Amino acid sequence: NAGVTQTPKFRVLKTGQSMTLLCAQDMNHEYMYWYRQDPGMGLRLIHYSVGEGTTAKGEVPDGYNVSRLKKQNFLLGLESAAPSQTSVYFCASRDRAEGEAFFGQGTRLTVV
Amino acid sequence: QQPVQSPQAVILREGEDAVINCSSSKALYSVHWYRQKHGEAPVFLMILLKGGEQKGHEKISASFNEKKQQSSLYLTASQLSYSGTYFCGTASGTALIFGKGTTLSVSS
Repeated sequence: NAGVTQTPKFRVLKTGQSMTLLCAQDMNHEYMYWYRQDPGMGLRLIHYSVGEGTTAKGEVPDGYNVSRLKKQNFLLGLESAAPSQTSVYFCASRDRAEGEAFFGQGTRLTVV
Repeated sequence: QQPVQSPQAVILREGEDAVINCSSSKALYSVHWYRQKHGEAPVFLMILLKGGEQKGHEKISASFNEKKQQSSLYLTASQLSYSGTYFCGTASGTALIFGKGTTLSVSS
């Protein structure tokens, strides 16, 4: 049982490049979340999904897009990367409103 | 809106106690507590639900005041392994919003 897996673990992008981060969970969870973590800012919610085919904006959605075409996968896209998007990105999932969140191991993204 | 955690940092000697507080301006359905070690992912500690139900680790206790939208995490007889950053997460619906964290350092 792998839990929540993020791909890739590290990435360096040039300003203006695009990329997609993949989050995959094998626990059949309904809810999935993307967070970014910056020093002193805690975990800030970017986008989230409450089921296949649904997405919603979080606290800091600008510059990101998401898709949830399959229940087990939640993709985070950066269309035109900016240095301000340098961060550690965490994906999390949980099975219901009363459930605990399980986190992936994170993706460290640097935009130069 | 992010919940507000206090204090920002705590320094303890082994065996000492600490309390970490979390407050929200929104009516809450649940409060979550997680601990993150440096370079690792956050790990679940406890969830407190509206109505009084709690789920989590046996050695950690917490409270949830639904009327005030406040929660406190109680760390007693601290151990070196308790060091890390503690986050509270609040859910008023399906979104799970985290605070900025409280850094706990335990020394021998």
